[in-house]
Amino acid sequence: DTGVSQDPRHKITKRGQNVTFRCDPISEHNRLYWYRQTLGQGPEFLTYFQNEAQLEKSRLLSDRFSAERPKGSFSTLEIQRTEQGDSAMYLCASSLLETGIYNEQFFGPGTRLTVL
Amino acid sequence: AQSVSQHNHHVILSEAASLELGCNYSYGGTVNLFWYVQYPGQHLQLLLKYFSGDPLVKGIKGFEAEFIKSKFSFNLRKPSVQWSDTAEYFCAVISFQRGSARQLTFGSGTQLTVLP
Repeated sequence: DTGVSQDPRHKITKRGQNVTFRCDPISEHNRLYWYRQTLGQGPEFLTYFQNEAQLEKSRLLSDRFSAERPKGSFSTLEIQRTEQGDSAMYLCASSLLETGIYNEQFFGPGTRLTVL
Repeated sequence: AQSVSQHNHHVILSEAASLELGCNYSYGGTVNLFWYVQYPGQHLQLLLKYFSGDPLVKGIKGFEAEFIKSKFSFNLRKPSVQWSDTAEYFCAVISFQRGSARQLTFGSGTQLTVLP
């Protein structure tokens, strides 16, 4: 499968625990996005990377959230001291940046986080 | 900040009925517009997109959308729906602001149920 993959698909954790999600983008894609989707809402932008550089973070991304893309390939999203309000679907998307061209963002299946 | 409104949260149609889903956005500058679909148990997929030119765009599976700049609208249409069109549909916009991440801003989605 050459699409965007995410791991795990489901995560249940207790409040206060740390969790980490992984995203593997389409191999030649240099842009990687993280979105969060809560029930009844569309996805909301969290952050994005161009290669290994994290270029923008949403105000939604509190200090408890950190994302990395160390080698410009896969990315991780860590949430520290989880709260019940963090329960959501976390989506990853990737695209190929080409000058002057907008290329489609391809989405992964998401990681559903439930914080008890 | 830009926003996207989808006024219909849940639409129920019989097979062969015509479909129109509303989408309005708030941003006065140049935008790119998208419709994404999420079939049950699957990830978000691009249905169609508008960048420039002919305001009537055609997408996959017989869907089309019309960009009306004066109304800030990008409504999705299909002349005759099928049971397999049952899914959640998201309208999204990218605005061209200096330094923007080109992240997608999504509406809250419309759940379409097609009865056989």
